[in-house]
Amino acid sequence: GESVGLHLPTLSVQEGDNSIINCAYSNSASDYFIWYKQESGKGPQFIIDIRSNMDKRQGQRVTVLLNKTVKHLSLQIAATQPGDSAVYFCAERIPGAGSYQLTFGKGTKLSVIP
Amino acid sequence: SAVISQKPSRDICQRGTSLTIQCQVDSQVTMMFWYRQQPGQSLTLIATANQGSEATYESGFVIDKFPISRPNLTFSTLTVSNMSPEDSSIYLCSAWGQGDGWNTGELFFGEGSRLTVL
Repeated sequence: GESVGLHLPTLSVQEGDNSIINCAYSNSASDYFIWYKQESGKGPQFIIDIRSNMDKRQGQRVTVLLNKTVKHLSLQIAATQPGDSAVYFCAERIPGAGSYQLTFGKGTKLSVIP
Repeated sequence: SAVISQKPSRDICQRGTSLTIQCQVDSQVTMMFWYRQQPGQSLTLIATANQGSEATYESGFVIDKFPISRPNLTFSTLTVSNMSPEDSSIYLCSAWGQGDGWNTGELFFGEGSRLTVL
């Protein structure tokens, strides 16, 4: 289940099940979104991206859904594996200023139970 | 795939000292970014490192505390000055890919520099 507090929200899933990680983004003008995976002791690694003119994009075992009406982004991981255990961050790009900055969400820790 | 190298990867520092983190990318990039990630937290942008001009700092971060250099299109440094235990964090360098084998549109990250201030 999920828990929210001072530390990162945690999602625990059984190996082989599907995982859904949710993210609420901040700015309705954001035009580009990225999901990152960060394993312990490593930098964030790109998983999948989606532009604001799309509502769904699929990759290998991952799907990102975008709901602009409620400013919500989700990452679905099919057949979750132990190697998927990591912290997942959504990031949004707010246009303007020409600086292409990304603003990161709080992150969710995914724990896969073998 | 694109490579961003940072050093040191980790260090233990004494209060009041300064440490410079180096970031090297394997392709020329227009913009480089420095992020801070405090323990158990998300990433917060410190500044954008611009080649040929001063860095652009985000709210809450100042040049005196976090001076940045960007001498060319493949290299940048971030200095954490007069450190205190509150500066204990992972500092991450990043850059947008653009052509030459980079996946345009993806923000790449280095592995981070983990600083512990005693």
